[in-house]
Amino acid sequence: GENVEQHPSTLSVQEGDSAVIKCTYSDSASNYFPWYKQELGKRPQLIIDIRSNVGEKKDQRIAVTLNKTAKHFSLHITETQPEDSAVYFCAADPGGYQKVTFGTGTKLQVIP
Amino acid sequence: SQTIHQWPATLVQPVGSPLSLECTVEGTSNPNLYWYRQAAGRGLQLLFYSVGIGQISSEVPQNLSASRPQDRQFILSSKKLLLSDSGFYLCAWSRGLAGASSYNEQFFGPGTRLTVL
Repeated sequence: GENVEQHPSTLSVQEGDSAVIKCTYSDSASNYFPWYKQELGKRPQLIIDIRSNVGEKKDQRIAVTLNKTAKHFSLHITETQPEDSAVYFCAADPGGYQKVTFGTGTKLQVIP
Repeated sequence: SQTIHQWPATLVQPVGSPLSLECTVEGTSNPNLYWYRQAAGRGLQLLFYSVGIGQISSEVPQNLSASRPQDRQFILSSKKLLLSDSGFYLCAWSRGLAGASSYNEQFFGPGTRLTVL
């Protein structure tokens, strides 16, 4: 089955700096890679996703890059703000009848 | 628009008691449905997923079970709770395509916080 590793587990940055979270996956059949943000006590919510036919996708301060050859993808947050503080999960989805596999999460703290 | 409901929101149960958590989805049909558990400060552990009525896949052998009696209803149960069953239980749905995943976003419910004493 799919195995997703996510690093780092915790990340502290100063407000205005950039944050990068990296994930690797094992199943070459995975073709969809979403990122979820979970604020304390809340449900995870999708913030950005990328499909295998795209190498990079950007939405304002958030961007995701995908390297299918190396089987890794990354989340980039620029100009971080205190409200970016949360736990971020990556995931890999092989589609078909296979389940989505989540990474173990990264707790991001943005220090004002 | 689609909405997902979970209840109860919080639950405190003694060890050895039964459990029933319910999840319903509105505004879509034939969704893929998922149960996750999240221990304090930890990641999302997939417990069960379903691509159709009566079709349940179990990811982790344990004292929990799931059922899907209707297209948009997903139930998580236990006959006897353990201390280790405490956690935040999340139900989620995604759009299915002829019963299969179609690389789509998962929408999570508000969750049930279960404490087993």
